[in-house]
Amino acid sequence: AQRVTQPEKLLSVFKGAPVELKCNYSYSGSPELFWYVQYSRQRLQLLLRHISRESIKGFTADLNKGETSFHLKKPFAQEEDSAMYYCALRGNYGQNFVFGPGTRLSVLP
Amino acid sequence: DTGVSQDPRHKITKRGQNVTFRCDPISEHNRLYWYRQTLGQGPEFLTYFQNEAQLEKSRLLSDRFSAERPKGSFSTLEIQRTEQGDSAMYLCASSLGGIENEQFFGPGTRLTVL
Repeated sequence: AQRVTQPEKLLSVFKGAPVELKCNYSYSGSPELFWYVQYSRQRLQLLLRHISRESIKGFTADLNKGETSFHLKKPFAQEEDSAMYYCALRGNYGQNFVFGPGTRLSVLP
Repeated sequence: DTGVSQDPRHKITKRGQNVTFRCDPISEHNRLYWYRQTLGQGPEFLTYFQNEAQLEKSRLLSDRFSAERPKGSFSTLEIQRTEQGDSAMYLCASSLGGIENEQFFGPGTRLTVL
């Protein structure tokens, strides 16, 4: 079965500190992994996807198939990064997206 | 086009009543998704349309739930004989399909069943 876990419900860091939001998944094939973000009073939106291999707003994420992880990282957190972050997976077949429970990132001044 | 819209934004109903939600996707998007989100959880996939065809349904979608997209544009999600456990945020998303396939989410409809 497809499953996404995000072990931290809340992560607090100080401005300028590095941040890593953890995501682990279980899937027997080669999934597509995503990070979605929801800022306060805004809609859920795509932050980045592993196939794009790009950095968005300073965030990067590397798919580690050996550890079945897709952790989100940023070297220097900013206050405007405070938001809810969801890791999501889409399997090889179909459009069934599976989301993790989310991690709330709080960047303190 | 200001993105995906959903109506109503909030719905309070009594247990046993039927409710219907509407989603208007971004106009050129042929894919449309419904999700349910409860407190402290991420969105849970309910169903997916490609144009007017409903191609996938989650096992979460009991027979009290039905979704339609009659002309391949807007979609409706109906819940019959609502139960308190149906209280949640119902999210709609649309995408263009293809390799990029980025989903654009609507603001959601918050359902409260009393």
